[in-house]
Amino acid sequence: RKEVEQDPGPFNVPEGATVAFNCTYSNSASQSFFWYRQDCRKEPKLLMSVYSSGNEDGRFTAQLNRASQYISLLIRDSKLSDSATYLCVVRGSQAGTALIFGKGTTLSVSS
Amino acid sequence: NAGVTQTPKFQVLKTGQSMTLQCAQDMNHEYMSWYRQDPGMGLRLIHYSVGAGITDQGEVPNGYNVSRSTTEDFPLRLLSAAPSQTSVYFCASSNSGVGNTIYFGEGSWLTVV
Repeated sequence: RKEVEQDPGPFNVPEGATVAFNCTYSNSASQSFFWYRQDCRKEPKLLMSVYSSGNEDGRFTAQLNRASQYISLLIRDSKLSDSATYLCVVRGSQAGTALIFGKGTTLSVSS
Repeated sequence: NAGVTQTPKFQVLKTGQSMTLQCAQDMNHEYMSWYRQDPGMGLRLIHYSVGAGITDQGEVPNGYNVSRSTTEDFPLRLLSAAPSQTSVYFCASSNSGVGNTIYFGEGSWLTVV
């Protein structure tokens, strides 16, 4: 089983749609969880951290279920500018441990 | 406000040549790492460092060397380039706390022919 697995995608949605991405991780000792966004031929950039209580940043909502080892990202009212690849990222329990990336899910928002 | 700086951005190598990808950060981060990204494979960790003088292997270390003589710099050396090392390479850094954000350089596109 891969350490971090994501929906295979791609997701093709119209502007204004709501879209949800799912991610599972295999290491129950993982402590930090993130969603990164990567545009074509660019470096990954932090979209948001994911907290146990769930958190929201504008149109974006992230949820974490530690019991199921499941992370989600919900994007409401999709914009053309949301088109990108979304990477689910997990970090271990020890300081200095590396990020483990999912392969990413590509979102394409069309007008 | 440089952040993480990688050079070169593009490089073409012949099989068997060696080269060094440079990475520097000006945020006084303890943790630095190198990833490679290939189509359909996601980002995979090559080597990482938790401070000056300390390095360790990641998921795909073969064919690469690193050193960390200063906090700021973390060069990645390709010892004898192979076509399988054609990839996009990203350097990243962060403070060492588990929840800290990791910042990436803009990437280095390497082609080995």
